[in-house]
Amino acid sequence: DVKVTQSSRYLVKRTGEKVFLECVQDMDHENMFWYRQDPGLGLRLIYFSYDVKMKEKGDIPEGYSVSREKKERFSLILESASTNQTSMYLCASSSGTNSYEQYFGPGTRLTVT
Amino acid sequence: GIQVEQSPPDLILQEGANSTLRCNFSDSVNNLQWFHQNPWGQLINLFYIPSGTKQNGRLSATTVATERYSLLYISSSQTTDSGVYFCAVERYSGGGADGLTFGKGTHLIIQP
Repeated sequence: DVKVTQSSRYLVKRTGEKVFLECVQDMDHENMFWYRQDPGLGLRLIYFSYDVKMKEKGDIPEGYSVSREKKERFSLILESASTNQTSMYLCASSSGTNSYEQYFGPGTRLTVT
Repeated sequence: GIQVEQSPPDLILQEGANSTLRCNFSDSVNNLQWFHQNPWGQLINLFYIPSGTKQNGRLSATTVATERYSLLYISSSQTTDSGVYFCAVERYSGGGADGLTFGKGTHLIIQP
């Protein structure tokens, strides 16, 4: 079974803090993604990566950066957290060779106060 | 970008009833998935179905790619089927992944 794990289920941070959200997949997948989910706005793509050290902007990259130093790990970085980044963050991965089916982690509910 | 519309937005049914959820999309796609979001927020994969028909127990799905829609069927509903169902599509660019575009979801409530 594909397993995607995220470092925290719940996280509370203060405005202006630097925040790291970590995602790890155990299936040697090429592609990894970060989404956020907000009531009324649905799920939106922030960034994705199709290879180590490669990244592509999604629909809402402002205020975020990403890092992929190893194939299995994809980090989302909030350089200076703001209250409008309070959200549910979901990480996903897909093979990219045999299939493009995406598998999601359990999510991190981030609150910025 | 691609637009994804799901209908109905809300659906309340009695246990044992059958239901059909619809997903329309505005352009050709390479990937279409159906998810069920559990109460804790995790997205559970139901079907990976860019075209054709698949069945898994009481659930089945059909995608007619040429007409740009997909249907999710739930038969003999159980209370555990309650939750939000999402349709999501992906159109590859340059031969590679491009991220999923999600519909707003169908909120399904199954009453005992």
